[in-house]
Amino acid sequence: EVQLLESGGGLVQPGGSLRLSCAASGFMFSSYAMSWVRQPPGKGLEWVSAISGTGTRTYYADSVKGRFTISRDNSNNTMSLQMDRLSADDTAVYFCAKVLRFLGPNALDIWGQGTMVTVSS
Amino acid sequence: NFMLTQPHSVSESPGKTVTISCTGSSGSVASNFVQWYHQRPGSAPTTVIYEDNQRPSGVPDRFSASIDRSSNSASLTISGLQPEDEGDYYCQTYDNTNQGIFGGGTRLTVL
Repeated sequence: EVQLLESGGGLVQPGGSLRLSCAASGFMFSSYAMSWVRQPPGKGLEWVSAISGTGTRTYYADSVKGRFTISRDNSNNTMSLQMDRLSADDTAVYFCAKVLRFLGPNALDIWGQGTMVTVSS
Repeated sequence: NFMLTQPHSVSESPGKTVTISCTGSSGSVASNFVQWYHQRPGSAPTTVIYEDNQRPSGVPDRFSASIDRSSNSASLTISGLQPEDEGDYYCQTYDNTNQGIFGGGTRLTVL
């Protein structure tokens, strides 16, 4: 069974940092791109970032470019999102998602349950 | 910036058919594949359509989708509506800089 499990969410002060992780199982992890999508409370989905199967190509939304860094460890079937200089606008549930193909800009076919990030003083 | 616009809400009776539209702000919705995701309150999204009109395994054939180049829009059609179809539906594609774009979402109510 394909599973994605996010962790690392929590409460952080404005300007602070947080690192999210996504543990994958049930599929050939290195053969697929992975992505992060977030959802602010009561609002719609927002695409955040994606990374190719090998990790050599990364993609970011303009709203997080320069502050967030996506990475993956194919030996441990994990993906991470390092989030720096956080602001209240980053408060959201962050979903990890498997991409249908090897490269990032493709359909998301499996989603994790999400982890909540709250940026507040 | 490229945007996708969806109706805020739609409603229909059980057993009926409903169509949700997703209109591109500029360029062409047909330039990249369009996906559709379903999200029930408090749950993670699930994929109901990928690559314009493909259904993942497990998604019933009551779900179908299409692209209309003349109106620069994509559409999701759900026939034989069932109560479990309720929730939010999001269209999604990528722009020419490879950034993902979601529509604002459409709340489907099955009356």
